[in-house]
Amino acid sequence: DTAVSQTPKYLVTQMGNDKSIKCEQNLGHDTMYWYKQDSKKFLKIMFSYNNKELIINETVPNRFSPKSPDKAHLNLHINSLELGDSAVYFCASSHGVGGPRETQYFGPGTRLLVL
Amino acid sequence: AQSVSQHNHHVILSEAASLELGCNYSYGGTVNLFWYVQYPGQHLQLLLKYFSGDPLVKGIKGFEAEFIKSKFSFNLRKPSVQWSDTAEYFCAVNAQGSARQLTFGSGTQLTVLP
Repeated sequence: DTAVSQTPKYLVTQMGNDKSIKCEQNLGHDTMYWYKQDSKKFLKIMFSYNNKELIINETVPNRFSPKSPDKAHLNLHINSLELGDSAVYFCASSHGVGGPRETQYFGPGTRLLVL
Repeated sequence: AQSVSQHNHHVILSEAASLELGCNYSYGGTVNLFWYVQYPGQHLQLLLKYFSGDPLVKGIKGFEAEFIKSKFSFNLRKPSVQWSDTAEYFCAVNAQGSARQLTFGSGTQLTVLP
């Protein structure tokens, strides 16, 4: 009965490859997010979706494309992977429209290593 | 734009010592403040949050934090730490009227020695 789940947990790949990370939440939340945590543990938001609609799109390369097939899923596709994409990617969700008082619930993270 | 500073990068304490982790934010308006904890190899979990009212908020596992508006601070405290408190602690702010963006500090690694 995991609340926010991500697959895979670990992803090791070569530069130039295309990969996807999947996220699912069973909390009935309306808003989902993707964060990137770099090697210094600094967390930064990348995207957020509310009911399948993009509401936050930070300065992220076009190689990153989120896709939300339904409000319980927010997948992250990355084209032409680069060394600098190596990081831990966290998915999160919140109840509501992504307002400033909402508690965000995080997934376990996907550790991506680009060689 | 909002930002968050956590000046203590790594804190090492012995068990039973008292803990205070600093968090300062920069934003002139109303803010909502959070502390998250990330245990080794695990996801972020909410420790506590402050929206309004009593500036001293209590969270899980004996943690508390005090919002001091004049100092733009939201420091995390625990009177007596345990070895199991070893983790990374993140302060975060989400400002009212902002673009619905939770901004995190750089984190403080707490190591508690048995």
